[in-house]
Amino acid sequence: AQTVTQSQPEMSVQEAETVTLSCTYDTSESDYYLFWYKQPPSRQMILVIRQEAYKQQNATENRFSVNFQKAAKSFSLKISDSQLGDAAMYFCAYSPPGGATNKLIFGTGTLLAVQP
Amino acid sequence: GAVVSQHPSWVICKSGTSVKIECRSLDFQATTMFWYRQFPKQSLMLMATSNEGSKATYEQGVEKDKFLINHASLTLSTLTVTSAHPEDSSFYICSARVAGGAKNIQYFGAGTRLSVL
Repeated sequence: AQTVTQSQPEMSVQEAETVTLSCTYDTSESDYYLFWYKQPPSRQMILVIRQEAYKQQNATENRFSVNFQKAAKSFSLKISDSQLGDAAMYFCAYSPPGGATNKLIFGTGTLLAVQP
Repeated sequence: GAVVSQHPSWVICKSGTSVKIECRSLDFQATTMFWYRQFPKQSLMLMATSNEGSKATYEQGVEKDKFLINHASLTLSTLTVTSAHPEDSSFYICSARVAGGAKNIQYFGAGTRLSVL
């Protein structure tokens, strides 16, 4: 069974600094999708970034980038120039390949605090 | 684009009553919607996958007679918690996939906090 592990329950970063959140996963598939979702105090889940496993190039979205290491099954999120609004729970998620009903398997989350 | 509306945002009910939660895709069609449950300070647990025009697929351990799901149109799925009890109190979140859209991206509603007295 596929699993997603986030080993950092809580992280803290100073405003304007850079922070990296870790995520590892386990799968026997060769093609799949990986995501980082953000859940602020409002509890609205927001898609931060998405990576397709067959793409070697790491995904980037403005201040957010990933370090995707397929062989190591690692998918870390780097947040540059951290802002107060980045404070939230961050979930790493895996989605297997296949048809329309692809599930999302979530990690346990990392609570990120941003210090002014 | 890709907005999912979930209603109500908070509901309080008496034990033994049923509660219906709606999940609507406002600006896209969704052949597949998902229902999650989230306990405080925990991750999202998938309860069921809702398919338009067919029966929902429930995850292991989720009682289908307790959590009724209906996906009657391409923009609406409902979750009914039947005969709710205090242990059903939780945060319920729905999500939707864009029909024919980028693979595997799910857009989430804002969630419903259910409190059963």
